[in-house]
Amino acid sequence: DAGVIQSPRHEVTEMGQEVTLRCKPISGHDYLFWYRQTMMRGLELLIYFNNNVPIDDSGMPEDRFSAKMPNASFSTLKIQPSEPRDSAVYFCASSSRQVGELFFGEGSRLTVL
Amino acid sequence: AQSVAQPEDQVNVAEGNPLTVKCTYSVSGNPYLFWYVQYPNRGLQFLLKYITGDNLVKGSYGFEAEFNKSQTSFHLKKPSALVSDSALYFCASRTTNAGKSTFGDGTTLTVKP
Repeated sequence: DAGVIQSPRHEVTEMGQEVTLRCKPISGHDYLFWYRQTMMRGLELLIYFNNNVPIDDSGMPEDRFSAKMPNASFSTLKIQPSEPRDSAVYFCASSSRQVGELFFGEGSRLTVL
Repeated sequence: AQSVAQPEDQVNVAEGNPLTVKCTYSVSGNPYLFWYVQYPNRGLQFLLKYITGDNLVKGSYGFEAEFNKSQTSFHLKKPSALVSDSALYFCASRTTNAGKSTFGDGTTLTVKP
């Protein structure tokens, strides 16, 4: 398996623009997580899905952030409109009850100017 | 509520010396405990986990961790550190084998030649 695949790896955009980050989890995994990592706040869980259904979105900063999982092999995290304080590395991770541990993608580094 | 503490922001050791990265947890019920490593500009990688059974858990790259229920600790250890072990290490806990994890703030390990 290729692992968790995220795109884009790097995104530079201007304040106010829409940003869409994409994630393909490992096949067979039924949990998908979106994390954000910054120097100031460390690793934060934004939202997670089980069987494509959002279970806990309490970490989503505000209404500008939204996440979807239309099927078992694809998820998006959208920021609209983006702000400079959204600059961070966004990680997607997947897991299953059978495996337990999280498998992380390589991350999407977002810079909002 | 769960919490994970990594009391040291930074650990410095000389190559060839043993290393310990500390982790304590607070979980109601039986904990599922994990260690992850993050190299620069990479996603987190799973190192090892404790679910049940033997308190000494062996993982990738020669790392091991000891689960101590009375001290609520799960310290990461390695008998002989390598320069290539230099990275950011995260301890994490869950109350089930799936779902939301609670991460510590991370410990930066630096191994000097």
